[in-house]
Amino acid sequence: AQKITQTQPGMFVQEKEAVTLDCTYDTSDQSYGLFWYKQPSSGEMIFLIYQGSYDEQNATEGRYSLNFQKARKSANLVISASQLGDSAMYFCAMREGLNNDMRFGAGTRLTVKP
Amino acid sequence: NAGVTQTPKFQVLKTGQSMTLQCAQDMNHEYMSWYRQDPGMGLRLIHYSVGAGITDQGEVPNGYNVSRSTTEDFPLRLLSAAPSQTSVYFCASSYSSSSGGQETQYFGPGTRLLVL
Repeated sequence: AQKITQTQPGMFVQEKEAVTLDCTYDTSDQSYGLFWYKQPSSGEMIFLIYQGSYDEQNATEGRYSLNFQKARKSANLVISASQLGDSAMYFCAMREGLNNDMRFGAGTRLTVKP
Repeated sequence: NAGVTQTPKFQVLKTGQSMTLQCAQDMNHEYMSWYRQDPGMGLRLIHYSVGAGITDQGEVPNGYNVSRSTTEDFPLRLLSAAPSQTSVYFCASSYSSSSGGQETQYFGPGTRLLVL
């Protein structure tokens, strides 16, 4: 079974608008971590934001915020005030327990339109 | 502070050849990992290490070996390359948070491998 599901292969957003990228996960562990990464066309992986399973507040990093709904097992990424440079692939990932075994979703390609 | 470095950036191999992908980090991170990324897909974990002398298998370990003799280095060895190993390989390192789990993972620039 898929551990991480990203149901949106592609998304479009108008510049300066907000966009939400969906991510649902599957785990029976109580302790886990959720991550979002950005991969521009140049290919590097850029860490964006992290949410621990015990964190009560939603994580925020600048224009990025993580909408963490534990009961629904969802960890959606919200990008506010989209910029042209936000056009990229976005990957959701999960680390279960205290090990280093990370699982990635298939990704969502975001295109920001001027 | 160079972060995570990988060499080579690009490599072409013939089926059956062996090679080592190098990865080094200068951030004194405990955790290091190797991933592969196939076209149109997310990353899949090959092997990882939680410290010098300790390694473990990830999701897709077959055909690959690793070792961790120092904190800084985590080489990935392809013993007998196959066309199915054509991929982009990423190395990553991270520190452990106060809770014991990683919070931030830093990736190297990747190695593109083509096996003919």
